[in-house]
Amino acid sequence: GENVEQHPSTLSVQEGDSAVIKCTYSDSASNYFPWYKQELGKRPQLIIDIRSNVGEKKDQRIAVTLNKTAKHFSLHITETQPEDSAVYFCAAAPGPGTYKYIFGTGTRLKVLA
Amino acid sequence: DAGVIQSPRHEVTEMGQEVTLRCKPISGHDYLFWYRQTMMRGLELLIYFNNNVPIDDSGMPEDRFSAKMPNASFSTLKIQPSEPRDSAVYFCASSLTGGYGYTFGSGTRLTVV
Repeated sequence: GENVEQHPSTLSVQEGDSAVIKCTYSDSASNYFPWYKQELGKRPQLIIDIRSNVGEKKDQRIAVTLNKTAKHFSLHITETQPEDSAVYFCAAAPGPGTYKYIFGTGTRLKVLA
Repeated sequence: DAGVIQSPRHEVTEMGQEVTLRCKPISGHDYLFWYRQTMMRGLELLIYFNNNVPIDDSGMPEDRFSAKMPNASFSTLKIQPSEPRDSAVYFCASSLTGGYGYTFGSGTRLTVV
């Protein structure tokens, strides 16, 4: 079955700097990769996603890149702000919302003011 | 839309007692997922339904766990008897065929003492 590894487990950056979180997956059949942000005590919320026919996707300060050959994908946050502090989860699935996602173990991001 | 609604938000119970968690998906969503979140194991899929029919229950830890979806607007996850190692946050999520990403509920924090 699918296995998703996520690194680093914790990440501290200064406000205004960039943050990068990386994930690798094992199943070449996976073709949908969502990213979720979870603030303390709250629900995971979808922040960006990418399908396998696209190499990069941007939404304001966040972007996701995908390398299908190497089976890895990354989340990039630029100009970080204190409100970006949260736990970020990557996931892989054989398709979008109607399939079970296999989640990474999460990255706790701290943005230092 | 009220989103995915879970109840109760918090549950504290004694070992051996029956626990029932409830979920109301977003109206019109035809997929429903139950996840469990712990520090040690992250987000684990327990079971998911399509059009009220269980599709994959391979993540249900053991026979003490059962889930039902009697209609399109209601699902339950039951643990009987409960054990301290069941303590976790249980999330319900729903999605729409052809849609992207899950919408998670606020979760139920279960503590078994």
